[in-house]
Amino acid sequence: QSVLTQSPSASGTPGQRVTISCSGSSSNLGYNTVNWYQQLPGKAPKVLIYSNSQRPSGVPDRFSGSKSGTSASLAISGLQSDDEADYYCAAWDDSLNGWVFGGGTKLTVL
Amino acid sequence: EVQLVESGGVLVQPGRSLRLSCAASGFTFDDYSMHWVRQAPGKGLEWVSGISWSGEIMGYGDSVKGRFTISRDNDKNSLYLEMSSLRTEDTALYYCARMGLAFDPWGQGTLVTVSS
Repeated sequence: QSVLTQSPSASGTPGQRVTISCSGSSSNLGYNTVNWYQQLPGKAPKVLIYSNSQRPSGVPDRFSGSKSGTSASLAISGLQSDDEADYYCAAWDDSLNGWVFGGGTKLTVL
Repeated sequence: EVQLVESGGVLVQPGRSLRLSCAASGFTFDDYSMHWVRQAPGKGLEWVSGISWSGEIMGYGDSVKGRFTISRDNDKNSLYLEMSSLRTEDTALYYCARMGLAFDPWGQGTLVTVSS
């Protein structure tokens, strides 16, 4: 059971907008920022969003992040076939004194 | 180019010990905290351990506390994970990752299989 909760799966058709959610508590998302990682099949994870809503250079602006209270979301607009991947949220947890991840959301592009 | 290369993963029996290494290049190693994150086959990501830039502060996930020890050698631009009393549930791909504002980048991982 992961400390951060994500829906196991999400799907959309090319061009659509999809949203992936991440739910936590006061000890993690409540007081700390969230990062999002994309893991393509067979590859190492890669940072997609940091500090709730910031995109590293090279990440398309189709990807956006937001956080409110103890929940966060990742939105992907203009869905493409190569967006098919696992997406993870992560945050520092003040009670556990460590980093916690969501269980991951598998995105399927239909 | 910033690069992290893990090594040391093998098939090992339960109860035995193992040391993983991560060689860093392309950046000033002692400017960053470094971490180990693992992924069991078909499962999600789990933070294992982290160490401050100086090596003075270490942290561990509950599942490995007391069994694993993280260390670093800033002169050799290397990160280590000493794993003892290994269990079958420690079987995973172990990634090292640099932490700035996020885990970035990640290495390609090294596979540890704990089985009799």
